[in-house]
Amino acid sequence: AQKVTQAQTEISVVEKEDVTLDCVYETRDTTYYLFWYKQPPSGELVFLIRRNSFDEQNEISGRYSWNFQKSTSSFNFTITASQVVDSAVYFCALSEARTSGTYKYIFGTGTRLKVLA
Amino acid sequence: GAGVSQSPSNKVTEKGKDVELRCDPISGHTALYWYRQSLGQGLEFLIYFQGNSAPDKSGLPSDRFSAERTGGSVSTLTIQRTQQEDSAVYLCASSLQAGGTTDTQYFGPGTRLTVL
Repeated sequence: AQKVTQAQTEISVVEKEDVTLDCVYETRDTTYYLFWYKQPPSGELVFLIRRNSFDEQNEISGRYSWNFQKSTSSFNFTITASQVVDSAVYFCALSEARTSGTYKYIFGTGTRLKVLA
Repeated sequence: GAGVSQSPSNKVTEKGKDVELRCDPISGHTALYWYRQSLGQGLEFLIYFQGNSAPDKSGLPSDRFSAERTGGSVSTLTIQRTQQEDSAVYLCASSLQAGGTTDTQYFGPGTRLTVL
C-alpha cells in the first residue's frame, strides 16, 4: 500500500538552529514523485520541491535542502539557520501512477514547525 | 497571473443541507484536484480531473459527494445532505497535467465548511 509517514507531529526550535523534517514513504512503483509543501498560518499550501524517483541527487535551495534516499525510502527536508518565518506545517507527499493509468496522491499528516525567537 | 481561487472562503450550513464549493484553476492548467483537510489532519485526496474527466472517483468519502468540471476550467464539489463529519477545509489545486513531470500542484486558499 502507498503511504507517507511524517512521524514528527510537532517540532520546536530556537531561531538559527538547524532542523530536519523526516518523511518516509511506501510504494511499489518504480516511477513516482515526491513533494514537499509548506502551509503557513495563513493556510495556503506553497509548493517547495518536487523530486522524481530516478533522481537521487540532493538539492539545496538557499537555507533549504532535501535528502532523497531510495534505500531507506526517505525524503528528508532540512532547514538551516531557521527563522521565525519558517514556522508552518510542512507536508510531504507522494504521487504515483496506478495500473489503471490514473494517478494517486498521498500526503503525510504534516509536521508543525515552530521557530522561536 | 492569478492563482487558484475558491469560493466561498467560508460556508456554514445546517446538517442535511446541500452545499456547492467552487474552484477556479490557474489558466492553462488541465488538471484539477480536490482535497479535504480536517482539523489537525493531513490532506485527504478526494478526486482529480484531467480536462473534464474524472478517471477515478474512489477517493470520494461517500455517494453524498460528487464533483464535476465543465469547459476544462471551473470545478464544483457538491456535498448532499451534509453531516457534521463533513466539516473541514476543502482544498483545490491545479497543475499543468496530471501525472508525469507536470503534476506539481498549486493550491487555492480553501473553503472552510462548518456543518452545524
